Amino acid sequence: SQTIHQWPATLVQPVGSPLSLECTVEGTSNPNLYWYRQAAGRGLQLLFYSVGIGQISSEVPQNLSASRPQDRQFILSSKKLLLSDSGFYLCAWSAHPGDEQYFGPGTRLTVT
Amino acid sequence: GESVGLHLPTLSVQEGDNSIINCAYSNSASDYFIWYKQESGKGPQFIIDIRSNMDKRQGQRVTVLLNKTVKHLSLQIAATQPGDSAVYFCAEGRSNTGNQFYFGTGTSLTVIP
Repeated sequence: SQTIHQWPATLVQPVGSPLSLECTVEGTSNPNLYWYRQAAGRGLQLLFYSVGIGQISSEVPQNLSASRPQDRQFILSSKKLLLSDSGFYLCAWSAHPGDEQYFGPGTRLTVT
Repeated sequence: GESVGLHLPTLSVQEGDNSIINCAYSNSASDYFIWYKQESGKGPQFIIDIRSNMDKRQGQRVTVLLNKTVKHLSLQIAATQPGDSAVYFCAEGRSNTGNQFYFGTGTSLTVIP
């Protein structure tokens, strides 16, 4: 069966510091991978998606970036965090574009 | 489409009763819908999905109804249990935008023992 992992689970970072969140998927090959942000009381906002190694599409212009160095690894980064980057970050995978997406446990990021 | 409100709609039901959670979607071109359950501090969990060529689909204790005429989706939970307490939200997708789902803000369900 497939599983998706995210770490860290929680993170408190000062404004201006860098960020690296990691997501890995097990039990499947060549998944479509997604990064979402969920702000309190709001729906999920798609940040990035990837259909393959090194292929990243950005949905929302911001100070975040994503990379996919391996087939089942997806990384969300920032060089300098802003207060507005606080939120709950979710990684998801699907077998094919348009298929149901399965989410990881999420990372709670607080920028202070 | 997305709601910009900061307060989730809430629904409280007695344990053992049936729950109905509603979702209105915005785009008549949407042809695939998913219901997710999200417990506090956790990632969303897939519950059930339905495509636009169907108007009803049943799972274990859950039923999803789709009314394309009024762009409305509902999730029915039978014999609601305390473990069903969570935020439930729908997602709409369109075949021609394979990687883009649009998520609602959700409804907070509380089951009263």
